[in-house]
Amino acid sequence: QKEVEQDPGPLSVPEGAIVSLNCTYSNSAFQYFMWYRQYSRKGPELLMYTYSSGNKEDGRFTAQVDKSSKYISLFIRDSQPSDSATYLCALSNNAGNMLTFGGGTRLMVKP
Amino acid sequence: DADVTQTPRNRITKTGKRIMLECSQTKGHDRMYWYRQDPGLGLRLIYYSFDVKDINKGEISDGYSVSRQAQAKFSLSLESAIPNQTALYFCATGITGGPYNEQFFGPGTRLTVL
Repeated sequence: QKEVEQDPGPLSVPEGAIVSLNCTYSNSAFQYFMWYRQYSRKGPELLMYTYSSGNKEDGRFTAQVDKSSKYISLFIRDSQPSDSATYLCALSNNAGNMLTFGGGTRLMVKP
Repeated sequence: DADVTQTPRNRITKTGKRIMLECSQTKGHDRMYWYRQDPGLGLRLIYYSFDVKDINKGEISDGYSVSRQAQAKFSLSLESAIPNQTALYFCATGITGGPYNEQFFGPGTRLTVL
């Protein structure tokens, strides 16, 4: 079993839809939770990060962490075609030295 | 100008050849990483370096070697390339003491081994 599981998709939604992207993990030592966005033929870029449990909102994006269930989510409101990309979750332990990535979910937002 | 650059961007080679992928950064970061990305497998760490004299193996280092020539340069070598090393390779940088280990990625090198 992988340490971090993520549905590869692709997930296809109409413009304006609410999108939910998720990861599950097995290692309770993870304390930092990040979402990276990767456009086609580009390197990943950090989109959001959270520490420990709870929610964090940034514009149309909300990151949610449920450590009791070992489940993290990224919600995108009012999705736009420009949100079409692969989204990777990345987790780090308290030492913060390494990132463990999920496999990525490919999102397509249709106009 | 890009902060993290990788050369070449694309490379096709044959089984058994030696290949070097290069990474340079202008961010002034001390940490550098090499990852490979395969469909559905996410990013897997090959090697990492926390400063010029520090080299560490990652999850999948077999068949690879690295050299940290300077703080700004970190190269990845495939001594004898094989077809299952066909993948997208990313270099990344980071800073020691950062609050959550954010990493900054280059644009990637697409390597095909025939």
